[in-house]
Amino acid sequence: EAQVTQNPRYLITVTGKKLTVTCSQNMNHEYMSWYRQDPGLGLRQIYYSMNVEVTDKGDVPEGYKVSRKEKRNFPLILESPSPNQTSLYFCASSLKPSGRIDTQYFGPGTRLTVL
Amino acid sequence: AQKVTQAQTEISVVEKEDVTLDCVYETRDTTYYLFWYKQPLSGELVFLIRRNSFDEQNEISGRYSWNFQKSTSSFNFTITASQVVDSAVYFCALSEVTDSWGKFQFGAGTQVVVTP
Repeated sequence: EAQVTQNPRYLITVTGKKLTVTCSQNMNHEYMSWYRQDPGLGLRQIYYSMNVEVTDKGDVPEGYKVSRKEKRNFPLILESPSPNQTSLYFCASSLKPSGRIDTQYFGPGTRLTVL
Repeated sequence: AQKVTQAQTEISVVEKEDVTLDCVYETRDTTYYLFWYKQPLSGELVFLIRRNSFDEQNEISGRYSWNFQKSTSSFNFTITASQVVDSAVYFCALSEVTDSWGKFQFGAGTQVVVTP
């Protein structure tokens, strides 16, 4: 089954404790992206990756890091989480960012709370 | 810079009423894609439609229809004869191709509440 998986689905942590949210897709997609969703703000793009070893900033990259060492995985790293990073996070993937046949497949989301 | 505006925060209707969700976008790019996604209470994001900037034909899919008007930079979404299962948050999104390919801009979303 084609899917994007995220782990963990729920996480409560404390300020400053490094954490990683994993994202994996099984569709051989080149493009992957991370978003955060906050009430009233919709989804905002954090980082995206056009292919292995190619990453770029979205609109809200501060406080986050990513890496793309393998095509299937695109982890999101919070080196020193702060309460303002409490949010719902979505990972997405598609063959290309956008095109005639491409659409983004989203993971189920990770709800992060930073105390 | 890209920008997507969904001015309606919440729309409440009674079942069988029609509901139209507005989406206005800004872009200087001539080649771009517009999307609508649905997010039901369960939280997942469901793709509904993609439209490219060169295709201004309106589209109908069952009870859903989309009106793309480049002249007013709008990509509105209508649900005809709404049902309780249509209750969800709907997001409009924009992706440029020529400039900043890979960047996506989402609107703030419109919550649709359909009551029986």
